[in-house]
Amino acid sequence: DAKTTQPNSMESNEEEPVHLPCNHSTISGTDYIHWYRQLPSQGPEYVIHGLTSNVNNRMASLAIAEDRKSSTLILHRATLRDAAVYYCILETGTYKYIFGTGTRLKVLA
Amino acid sequence: EAGVAQSPRYKIIEKRQSVAFWCNPISGHATLYWYQQILGQGPKLLIQFQNNGVVDDSQLPKDRFSAERLKGVDSTLKIQPAKLEDSAVYLCASSSYERGGIQAFFGQGTRLTVV
Repeated sequence: DAKTTQPNSMESNEEEPVHLPCNHSTISGTDYIHWYRQLPSQGPEYVIHGLTSNVNNRMASLAIAEDRKSSTLILHRATLRDAAVYYCILETGTYKYIFGTGTRLKVLA
Repeated sequence: EAGVAQSPRYKIIEKRQSVAFWCNPISGHATLYWYQQILGQGPKLLIQFQNNGVVDDSQLPKDRFSAERLKGVDSTLKIQPAKLEDSAVYLCASSSYERGGIQAFFGQGTRLTVV
């Protein structure tokens, strides 16, 4: 299965933008890139997903490299409630979601 | 809409005992997943159902773990006998399986502690 690689942790100041990187060099042409986040004692929560083009929604933006081997989740203004573990996930052709180890985001007040 | 329901939220058992977890997916969702999340790690897929058929169970330790999804709706995951290393959060998720690029919805999980 294709894998994702993320930094273990990142820090950001409140109300500043955050760029969370993800490498997925073995991605297949039909694999979607998803981002989920997980708050303490909660199940993962959907953030955003894309295939080839950059995507925006009310929570975040997703920038996908032209060769699709990497992507970046962008939180435009981090708040304390955004502190969580962020997972970059590949959705394979059989609708299987493969999680990586995630990035723990710490937001500083 | 109602989310993915799981029960119980917490369970403590002794090693070699058996335990079962229950999941009720979002209504109409054809695909159901069970994940195991060990503390400090990302979730690992154990089994994926499409309606009541198994799509992928390659990571399921079949000597002790079993799962079923009768009538293509609710699902149960069983561990018998449990080992210390089975201590983890067991997450259930569902998706509608209409096409690719569909989000999965996760339950809050069942935290299992084996002592």
